[in-house]
Amino acid sequence: GENVEQHPSTLSVQEGDSAVIKCTYSDSASNYFPWYKQELGKGPQLIIDIRSNVGEKKDQRIAVTLNKTAKHFSLHITETQPEDSAVYFCAVHKAAGNKLTFGGGTRVLVKP
Amino acid sequence: DAMVIQNPRYQVTQFGKPVTLSCSQTLNHNVMYWYQQKSSQAPKLLFHYYDKDFNNEADTPDNFQSRRPNTSFCFLDIRSPGLGDAAMYLCATSRGGAGTDTQYFGPGTRLTVL
Repeated sequence: GENVEQHPSTLSVQEGDSAVIKCTYSDSASNYFPWYKQELGKGPQLIIDIRSNVGEKKDQRIAVTLNKTAKHFSLHITETQPEDSAVYFCAVHKAAGNKLTFGGGTRVLVKP
Repeated sequence: DAMVIQNPRYQVTQFGKPVTLSCSQTLNHNVMYWYQQKSSQAPKLLFHYYDKDFNNEADTPDNFQSRRPNTSFCFLDIRSPGLGDAAMYLCATSRGGAGTDTQYFGPGTRLTVL
């Protein structure tokens, strides 16, 4: 089955700095890569996603890059703010089936 | 304009006492999922429905059951909750089909087992 590794598990940054989270996956048939943000006591919220036919996608301060050859993708948050503090999960979806495989999560703390 | 709604948000039950968690959606999505999430861990898929077709994960205990009476509603039944079942339970939906695999999560139900 699919295996998704996410690093780092915790990340502390100063407000205004950038944060980068990386995920690697094992199944080359995977074709959809969402990122979720989960605040304490809430459900995961989709913040950005990318499909396998695209190498990079950006939405304001958030960007995702995908390297299909190396089977890894990354979340980039620029100009971090305290409200970016949360747990972030990457996930991977295969072309067949309706299931996501999640990474282990990264706890991000933005220090004011 | 809530899209995936879970009730209750907090549920307390006693060891061994059956409990039912509820999920409803206004997206008219074909697929509904139930996840279990324990502290500091990723969501773990328990099962999902594609329309009326039930798909159980191989490692989901028999203690967990689900019902989907119609497109909008899905229920998670825990027949005899143990202390290890205390967790956040997340419902999610997706449209289903190729290229429509985005999952949208509800706010979750925090289950406490006494």
